[in-house]
Amino acid sequence: DVKVTQSSRYLVKRTGEKVFLECVQDMDHENMFWYRQDPGLGLRLIYFSYDVKMKEKGDIPEGYSVSREKKERFSLILESASTNQTSMYLCASSPLGLAAQETQYFGPGTRLLVL
Amino acid sequence: AQKVTQAQTEISVVEKEDVTLDCVYETRDTTYYLFWYKQPPSGELVFLIRRNSFDEQNEISGRYSWNFQKSTSSFNFTITASQVVDSAVYFCALSEADSGAGSYQLTFGKGTKLSVIP
Repeated sequence: DVKVTQSSRYLVKRTGEKVFLECVQDMDHENMFWYRQDPGLGLRLIYFSYDVKMKEKGDIPEGYSVSREKKERFSLILESASTNQTSMYLCASSPLGLAAQETQYFGPGTRLLVL
Repeated sequence: AQKVTQAQTEISVVEKEDVTLDCVYETRDTTYYLFWYKQPPSGELVFLIRRNSFDEQNEISGRYSWNFQKSTSSFNFTITASQVVDSAVYFCALSEADSGAGSYQLTFGKGTKLSVIP
């Protein structure tokens, strides 16, 4: 069974704080992804990584950065949190190389509130 | 550009009714993959099914069935004899194999919220 875990289910931060969201997968997957989910907008890709230390921007990378120092762990960083980053953040992973047919498996999500 | 449309924002049914969730997609590629995910109130997206563009056979898994029709670019999902546990947001998604470096990217529809009333 694929397991993707996220460090927090709920997080409350203040504007301007640096925020770290952690994601760990236990299936030796090559690819990892960060999405945010907002009502009426669906899921939007922020960043993804296809290998250790490799990263690529998704559709909405502004205000975010990522880190992948180990294969199983992918961190999303909000350098200076803003209220418009209040959202649900979902991490996902998929096996093998970059391929359209690979299924992405998701973690439970982190609901972030920025005050 | 690829696009997925789930026109039904919210649906409510009474338990034991059948319900169909619609998904219409747009793509210029000949090879692509379609997915359905379920997101219960707990928040985690649960993978339900993956279909490739060359396999138009309908699929049935228990009370769930999927109807893939390339002629209408649709990949609809039917729940038979719905149960309260089926209450969730359901997402349809598309990835394109011909997109080169971006082929692993999933494009999601905006989701359909299904409420099954006891």
